[in-house]
Amino acid sequence: ELKVEQNPLFLSMQEGKNYTIYCNYSTTSDRLYWYRQDPGKSLESLFVLLSNGAVKQEGRLMASLDTKARLSTLHITAAVHDLSATYFCAVASPNFGNEKLTFGTGTRLTIIP
Amino acid sequence: GAVVSQHPSWVICKSGTSVKIECRSLDFQATTMFWYRQFPKQSLMLMATSNEGSKATYEQGVEKDKFLINHASLTLSTLTVTSAHPEDSSFYICSATDRQGKALVQPQHFGDGTRLSIL
Repeated sequence: ELKVEQNPLFLSMQEGKNYTIYCNYSTTSDRLYWYRQDPGKSLESLFVLLSNGAVKQEGRLMASLDTKARLSTLHITAAVHDLSATYFCAVASPNFGNEKLTFGTGTRLTIIP
Repeated sequence: GAVVSQHPSWVICKSGTSVKIECRSLDFQATTMFWYRQFPKQSLMLMATSNEGSKATYEQGVEKDKFLINHASLTLSTLTVTSAHPEDSSFYICSATDRQGKALVQPQHFGDGTRLSIL
């Protein structure tokens, strides 16, 4: 059974600081997704990572994937208040044609002015 | 493109009633739709996967007789919570993929979610 863990679960940081969220998963997969969720809202797709060593950047967020270590990171650079949200990673299950996603526990990020 | 519409957004009803939630793909054909449940401050848990024209595949621990899923067309899937009780109160989210999206490894497209409150 695929298990996906995120660390930290909660993160409060000041504006302008940098931080990294970690996503570990238990079985082989070569597809990993990052999503953002605002309170009371659904999911917004941030990144799709498809291969070992993949790195993608959008604004102050950068995501990477190490399939050998079964680890993905979401790095926040010079945080701003607008980035406050809950961030989820999700890993595709190869045994289900890569359609089934298992979500991480989520990281609730609060940016303090 | 790739818009998924979910209706209703919020529903409050009395215990014992049945509630139907619709999930529509507006600009693509959704060969596969997924239904998730999210309790407050928790992650998304997959309830079931449905393919057009076939029976849904339920995850372990999800009662198929309580959560009826119908995927009758390539643009519509419905989730009916039968005889709902307070413990069924949750945020229900659907998502959809299409053949092209699957081939292009696009992420699932999520609906806006339905907040269900059972009194």
